Amino acid sequence: DTGVSQDPRHKITKRGQNVTFRCDPISEHNRLYWYRQTLGQGPEFLTYFQNEAQLEKSRLLSDRFSAERPKGSFSTLEIQRTEQGDSAMYLCASSQGGDQRNTEAFFGQGTRLTVV
Amino acid sequence: RKEVEQDPGPFNVPEGATVAFNCTYSNSASQSFFWYRQDCRKEPKLLMSVYSSGNEDGRFTAQLNRASQYISLLIRDSKLSDSATYLCVVNQGTGGFKTIFGAGTRLFVKA
Repeated sequence: DTGVSQDPRHKITKRGQNVTFRCDPISEHNRLYWYRQTLGQGPEFLTYFQNEAQLEKSRLLSDRFSAERPKGSFSTLEIQRTEQGDSAMYLCASSQGGDQRNTEAFFGQGTRLTVV
Repeated sequence: RKEVEQDPGPFNVPEGATVAFNCTYSNSASQSFFWYRQDCRKEPKLLMSVYSSGNEDGRFTAQLNRASQYISLLIRDSKLSDSATYLCVVNQGTGGFKTIFGAGTRLFVKA
């Protein structure tokens, strides 16, 4: 399978614990996105990388959230001191690079986080 | 005001009906536009890009009005399999690569 893969698929954690999610994009894609989706809502933009550079961060990405893409390939999203409001589906997407703007973003199946 | 706004629905239509979804965006510098489809508990997938001249793909027609900052999706001859959430998507930001999703419009097609 050469699509976007996310790990783990599900995570249950106690409030206050730290969690880390991983995303492996499609190999030739240099753009990588993280989104958060709650029930009944569309995906909310969190952050975006072009290669290893984090070019944009949403105000939703509080100081408890950090994302990295150290070698321009896979990415990690860490949430520190989790809160119940962090419970959501965390989606990763990747798209092709270059100067093309009208390019499709391919999504992984997401990591569903439940904070208890 | 949300960056991308959609009527959440749900739209309940019989098979064979024509249904239209609308979407407005707030950033006039937005550069490219899409409709994605999301099935229950699945990831979003691209349905079609939206071009200034309007474009059609089978039963689906997308339109863009940059002056009004408005995007539409028309589905003709609805099928049961069209039941899903339809997400309006806009690329904006530096270089036009920040991809923003609307909250989605739910469609139920009934037999």
